[in-house]
Amino acid sequence: EDKVVQSPLSLVVHEGDTVTLNCSYEVTNFRSLLWYKQEKKAPTFLFMLTSSGIEKKSGRLSSILDKKELFSILNITATQTGDSAVYLCAFGSGNTGKLIFGQGTTLQVKP
Amino acid sequence: NAGVMQNPRHLVRRRGQEARLRCSPMKGHSHVYWYRQLPEEGLKFMVYLQKENIIDESGMPKERFSAEFPKEGPSILRIQQVVRGDSAAYFCASSPFSADSGNTIYFGEGSWLTVV
Repeated sequence: EDKVVQSPLSLVVHEGDTVTLNCSYEVTNFRSLLWYKQEKKAPTFLFMLTSSGIEKKSGRLSSILDKKELFSILNITATQTGDSAVYLCAFGSGNTGKLIFGQGTTLQVKP
Repeated sequence: NAGVMQNPRHLVRRRGQEARLRCSPMKGHSHVYWYRQLPEEGLKFMVYLQKENIIDESGMPKERFSAEFPKEGPSILRIQQVVRGDSAAYFCASSPFSADSGNTIYFGEGSWLTVV
């Protein structure tokens, strides 16, 4: 059965810290891995990764995929309280939006 | 450029009543997905629709749940004879018909259903 496992499940840091969130997957027909940020409402799209070793970057956030070891990481540098959210990892197969989500990592950034 | 629009945002129903959740996709998007998020759980795929067609309903419970995306109007997720276990956040997402978009989907704000 396809699955996505995220770790840690929760994390508390202080502003300015750097965090690394992990996502491992076991899938039969991988096409892409996606990261979303959820702040008690709509999950908002962060990154879609399809190729190994190519880092995607957006401001203080970056992500990379390792298709050989079947994992991805999401890095957030110089964290701010506004980064507090649940970060969701999901994989997609085929060419549709049917995604398998992990359970999420809850990040709390304290002032 | 409006995003995915869902209504109602919050809905309270008594056990046995019906719940109807509506979703209008982003402009230019022809694919609609419904996901459910139970308390303390991750998002789970329910159904994938295009206009007038159900493409994949493998995540839908076999009974009481149905979905449609008519030629005109929003997509509707219908839950008949609701039970307490149906209490959850129901998210709609949409994507364009484009090979370049891959698996990327964009979510609405969600509809929070509470069954009392």
